Amino acid sequence: AQTVTQSQPEMSVQEAETVTLSCTYDTSESDYYLFWYKQPPSRQMILVIRQEAYKQQNATENRFSVNFQKAAKSFSLKISDSQLGDAAMYFCAYRSGSTNAGKSTFGDGTTLTVKP
Amino acid sequence: DAEITQSPRHKITETGRQVTLACHQTWNHNNMFWYRQDLGHGLRLIHYSYGVQDTNKGEVSDGYSVSRSNTEDLPLTLESAASSQTSVYFCASVSYRGPYEQYFGPGTRLTVT
Repeated sequence: AQTVTQSQPEMSVQEAETVTLSCTYDTSESDYYLFWYKQPPSRQMILVIRQEAYKQQNATENRFSVNFQKAAKSFSLKISDSQLGDAAMYFCAYRSGSTNAGKSTFGDGTTLTVKP
Repeated sequence: DAEITQSPRHKITETGRQVTLACHQTWNHNNMFWYRQDLGHGLRLIHYSYGVQDTNKGEVSDGYSVSRSNTEDLPLTLESAASSQTSVYFCASVSYRGPYEQYFGPGTRLTVT
């Protein structure tokens, strides 16, 4: 079974600074996808960024980028120019690409605080 | 616009009662999922379905059941509610395998007293 580990329960960053959230995973599969979700106090799950394992290029979405290290099974999220609205809980998630379509395994999350 | 809805949004029930949480999606997705989220933790898979009449157990399925009679709905039933089932429940759907976005409902906060 796949596991996802987020080793930082809490992180804080100064507004306009950069912060990196860590995620490691364990799998024996070669075809899979990785995601970062944001969960604000409203509880809504919001997709931040996705990465296909077969792509070597790291995904980028505006201020959000990932550092995908497939051999090390590491998938960190970098938030640049942090804004107050970035404060939320962030979840790393794994989804198999070959079987069990859509089933996701989530980490326990990292609570991000943004200081003005 | 297509959406995924859950009802009720909040529910308080007593130990031993049967409870059903509704999930309805208008994306026409085949794959639907129920997760629970406990305080300070990520989402854990309860049950899932890949189509009408198909249901499967997830990692924390004990005490829960689902049924899929049409594409749009996947109700989650707690047969005999227990205090350990106090949690926030999320329904989700996705069209097929691949990197496609998984759409989540707004969540149902269930309290078992």
